[in-house]
Amino acid sequence: AAGVIQSPRHLIKEKRETATLKCYPIPRHDTVYWYQQGPGQDPQFLISFYEKMQSDKGSIPDRFSAQQFSDYHSELNMSSLELGDSALYFCASSRGGGLNEAFFGQGTRLTVV
Amino acid sequence: SQQGEEDPQALSIQEGENATMNCSYKTSINNLQWYRQNSGRGLVHLILIRSNEREKHSGRLRVTLDTSKKSSSLLITASRAADTASYFCATVLWSGAGSYQLTFGKGTKLSVIP
Repeated sequence: AAGVIQSPRHLIKEKRETATLKCYPIPRHDTVYWYQQGPGQDPQFLISFYEKMQSDKGSIPDRFSAQQFSDYHSELNMSSLELGDSALYFCASSRGGGLNEAFFGQGTRLTVV
Repeated sequence: SQQGEEDPQALSIQEGENATMNCSYKTSINNLQWYRQNSGRGLVHLILIRSNEREKHSGRLRVTLDTSKKSSSLLITASRAADTASYFCATVLWSGAGSYQLTFGKGTKLSVIP
């Protein structure tokens, strides 16, 4: 069965650079979530989309933005990267507006040097 | 603010023993879910319990939900070394903006010693 696909799996960027993370949700899932997870931390909610419209925003810095496209894939854009942005970034998708179980991708490990 | 707070933060047991993890939350929820995460990997959904349910089983997993105390527990019976992972509870509640929020607690790191 198709799973949530994230790319790239690993990304190394320098401070002040930009990064774009991509997420391909499971077909027919109407909700996409983005999370940031630092070492030893719980996943922190960044932003979500329902039917391609932004539905909720969490602790997402103003330097970050995200969108969901007509083909349902989503991108998280991160600018002016800081060392503290180094983390695992997960995308998840769900049906029913997020009322059902969420399926997570394998994540993108971003390292800012 | 954190919806789910888990305890213990770390748990070490012998293979074959049972492991119990607890989760508390602050507001009314639609459902509560438990996820497992192997180090550096994606989260995997284990079980979902709705707000009108009190107990649910799935294989060696047993989840309880007490909405009056705003707490849940995850019991893993007859643990195996392969159960070594971090376990997170996550609450689901209506965001008021078209979908549901999925908010994670701090997690319990379980080590099962062979």
